[in-house]
Amino acid sequence: DADVTQTPRNRITKTGKRIMLECSQTKGHDRMYWYRQDPGLGLRLIYYSFDVKDINKGEISDGYSVSRQAQAKFSLSLESAIPNQTALYFCATSDPSGSGGNEQFFGPGTRLTVL
Amino acid sequence: GENVEQHPSTLSVQEGDSAVIKCTYSDSASNYFPWYKQELGKRPQLIIDIRSNVGEKKDQRIAVTLNKTAKHFSLHITETQPEDSAVYFCAASIGTGTASKLTFGTGTRLQVTL
Repeated sequence: DADVTQTPRNRITKTGKRIMLECSQTKGHDRMYWYRQDPGLGLRLIYYSFDVKDINKGEISDGYSVSRQAQAKFSLSLESAIPNQTALYFCATSDPSGSGGNEQFFGPGTRLTVL
Repeated sequence: GENVEQHPSTLSVQEGDSAVIKCTYSDSASNYFPWYKQELGKRPQLIIDIRSNVGEKKDQRIAVTLNKTAKHFSLHITETQPEDSAVYFCAASIGTGTASKLTFGTGTRLQVTL
């Protein structure tokens, strides 16, 4: 099945460390997104990309960077992790021109803990 | 930017009863309103969506209504079942070029009790 995958699924790191979260998809979608989920705050958009080399900031991009080197891969980096970046991170994809329309398909999530 | 408010944050209903979750949005240009369901430990999944040219949409036990004038939309679940227990998120987006850029509400945790 075409899917969205994320690695790692769980990660514990220390304050100040650089960390990268990876997202891969086999759906052939052009659009990819990174969200973070915190209790009581819902899903907040960090960065999004509508095509390879296209990068756009979301509502909470400070402290994060992304890379979209291929259609199938979208990486999220925390250059110097801090405790308030502890959260559940989701990658998502969409293809408005395809059969899924505007539906976003989410990966399984990465639980990140910054000590 | 768009702001989406969602209420209530938690909702407990007895099996067989109806559940209603309400959302309001701020940008009158928003024209696409999906609802996602997230079961415990799982990823969010789309359950129903509505566009601004439609006032109501139904899919079996779930329905969504939209009031563009008041800028609010609601999710209705009838004959609730234990498997409906989950967190539900509403969202809104604007335009065609940016149609996939969603702003989510803060979520409603629905508990269906036996």
